[in-house]
Amino acid sequence: QSALTQPASVSGSPGQSITISCTGTSSDVGGYNYVSWYQQHPGKAPKLMIYDVSNRPSGVSNRFSGSKSGNTASLTISGLQAEDEADYYCSSYTSSSTLELFGGGTKLTVL
Amino acid sequence: QLQLQESGPGLVKASETLSLTCSVSGGSFSSSRYYWGWLRQPPGKGLEWIGTIYYRGSTYYNPSLKSRVTISVDTSKNQFSLKLSSVTAADTAVYYCARPTLVGAQIDIWGQGTRVTVSS
Repeated sequence: QSALTQPASVSGSPGQSITISCTGTSSDVGGYNYVSWYQQHPGKAPKLMIYDVSNRPSGVSNRFSGSKSGNTASLTISGLQAEDEADYYCSSYTSSSTLELFGGGTKLTVL
Repeated sequence: QLQLQESGPGLVKASETLSLTCSVSGGSFSSSRYYWGWLRQPPGKGLEWIGTIYYRGSTYYNPSLKSRVTISVDTSKNQFSLKLSSVTAADTAVYYCARPTLVGAQIDIWGQGTRVTVSS
């Protein structure tokens, strides 16, 4: 099964807001609320930023928020900071035999 | 605080079996709430789920790797393991052990990752 679709890159200036999309199908993103977002800095393990579409784990800044509409989930980062520059991956449960899908990743550049 | 640590050879010959172990420390390994999993990330590429095991032994594998993957758990040692047979250069990646809350759901704890290179 194909991976979830994310833009390859997004950019924004400090203080601005950006949104990263994650498009799937009704068998994954659109059909279940098991959508997660991960932040990954170079050479580091991924870090969970959002789970169950819009929930933030303890310790994650409230500048990070998640939402979903139809088959597309979104991660919004407000008040961009230099430390937000990283790769971001979405994931979703899928009813196919694959069980779990990841997006191809989005590189966020803070200008 | 729960921590995961991968261990195993960093270099594996093509056609052989890749074997990695994840040691769990700082918490309950046998909690009924959690599963344990393996993921990988080829150089410069995205994340790929390999498989997940429940502490009682039920396993779930990515169909694309299922014929070559075995994940097992050793509760007495607070460890779980990955075996990937008949490796090729395409299996070169950073391998992560992790703790998903459910199969396909969020992964809240990750190991630091271990780089495995398949040589010809």
